[in-house]
Amino acid sequence: DAGITQSPRHKVTETGTPVTLRCHQTENHRYMYWYRQDPGHGLRLIHYSYGVKDTDKGEVSDGYSVSRSKTEDFLLTLESATSSQTSVYFCAISDSGTAGGELFFGEGSRLTVL
Amino acid sequence: KNQVEQSPQSLIILEGKNCTLQCNYTVSPFSNLRWYKQDTGRGPVSLTIMTFSENTKSNGRYTATLDADTKQSSLHITASQLSDSASYICVVMRGAGSYQLTFGKGTKLSVIP
Repeated sequence: DAGITQSPRHKVTETGTPVTLRCHQTENHRYMYWYRQDPGHGLRLIHYSYGVKDTDKGEVSDGYSVSRSKTEDFLLTLESATSSQTSVYFCAISDSGTAGGELFFGEGSRLTVL
Repeated sequence: KNQVEQSPQSLIILEGKNCTLQCNYTVSPFSNLRWYKQDTGRGPVSLTIMTFSENTKSNGRYTATLDADTKQSSLHITASQLSDSASYICVVMRGAGSYQLTFGKGTKLSVIP
């Protein structure tokens, strides 16, 4: 199994509070991604990183920010959580951003915003 | 619009039986197609990656087929086991330097004794 650790695995918070999810990898892969998974939708890309301090937006980036200060850590922050951000969040890593890059997923972080 | 449609949404089969899951896509230009298995409460795990030139690819009891002309793929599971109960997700990567992934909603497979 790819060495990907997400924390926390479960979190319940209230609307308006800040939340940070952490993804830690031990594979030294260059690319890291944050996805959300909701019923009735396929996985959707929030933000991704192609190197330390190099990040870009995905298709559902509104309300989220990310940071990557070290190769191994990719943080996802909800500055002011809303109920629409209740979801399961998956971190993924890849050693290549091109066609052949295999994508490895973490175990997910379930966030509930009340 | 780039889309990936999977059918059926859910499927129940008896242990030991075979089944086939379908994936149709409109993603263009095409780079590759991937099948993932996602156990309940876990992250997706890759089963196969198929490029334009590959028609069939196997991974144990899992066999994926690709028809790039009709933009269809299937995942065939042979001699199903209880551990095959999971969601199976079809993912298509866009080409031409985009490398954007479009995920299907998945087919939920339940294998019962």
